[in-house]
Amino acid sequence: KAGVTQTPRYLIKTRGQQVTLSCSPISGHRSVSWYQQTPGQGLQFLFEYFSETQRNKGNFPGRFSGRQFSNSRSEMNVSTLELGDSALYLCASSPPTGTTGELFFGEGSRLTVL
Amino acid sequence: GENVEQHPSTLSVQEGDSAVIKCTYSDSASNYFPWYKQELGKRPQLIIDIRSNVGEKKDQRIAVTLNKTAKHFSLHITETQPEDSAVYFCAAIVGNEKLTFGTGTRLTIIP
Repeated sequence: KAGVTQTPRYLIKTRGQQVTLSCSPISGHRSVSWYQQTPGQGLQFLFEYFSETQRNKGNFPGRFSGRQFSNSRSEMNVSTLELGDSALYLCASSPPTGTTGELFFGEGSRLTVL
Repeated sequence: GENVEQHPSTLSVQEGDSAVIKCTYSDSASNYFPWYKQELGKRPQLIIDIRSNVGEKKDQRIAVTLNKTAKHFSLHITETQPEDSAVYFCAAIVGNEKLTFGTGTRLTIIP
C-alpha cells in the first residue's frame, strides 16, 4: 500500500500570499488530520476531516482552512501568509476502525514565508 | 480542552543506559496515549500506545506506563542504542476528539 502523500514537499511564499497544500491518504483511510510542526512547539493540531466533514478543529485563525473530497484526499489553505506561518505541515490519515488508533503521517510540506 | 506537558525537552544518555520521558495530561476522560518517534528529517511514526484500561505495556526494549490517578504516563527505553536518537512525542486523546501532542523530547544516545 502506498503511504500518505503530501505535495508540494517544499515551497517558498512571501507575506500576504496564499498557499494550498495537498494530502492523499492511505487507500481506505477516511480520516485526515493536519498538524503544524515548528521547533519548540511540537505538533499543533489544525483540523481533522472524516467523510468530507470537519470533525475537529484546533485553535488556529480563520486564515487556515481545509476541505476533504469524496475520495478522501484533503487540502489545506492558508491565506494572507505571515512570517510565523513558516513551518512543516504534516498530514496524517487513520483507518476506519471506529476507535482511536494509529496515525500514519506523510513526509510533510515545508513552507517558508519570506 | 486537553493539555499535554512533556519533560524533559532534551535528554542525553550513554549507549546501553535507560531513558525515561514523562508526560502529564489534564483531561481525566482521556483514554488513549500513543508515543511517536520522529527521526531527523523523517515523518513521525507510532512506536507504542496504551489505552486507559491498561497500566503498562511492553514491546521489546520500550515500555509505557500509565497512572490514571495522577494523570501521567511515561515512556521507558532500556539498553539504548544509537538508532534510538530521535525526537519523541507523547499524545493524549478523549474519544474521537483531537489528538493533543506534547512538545517533544530530543533524545541523544552518546556512543
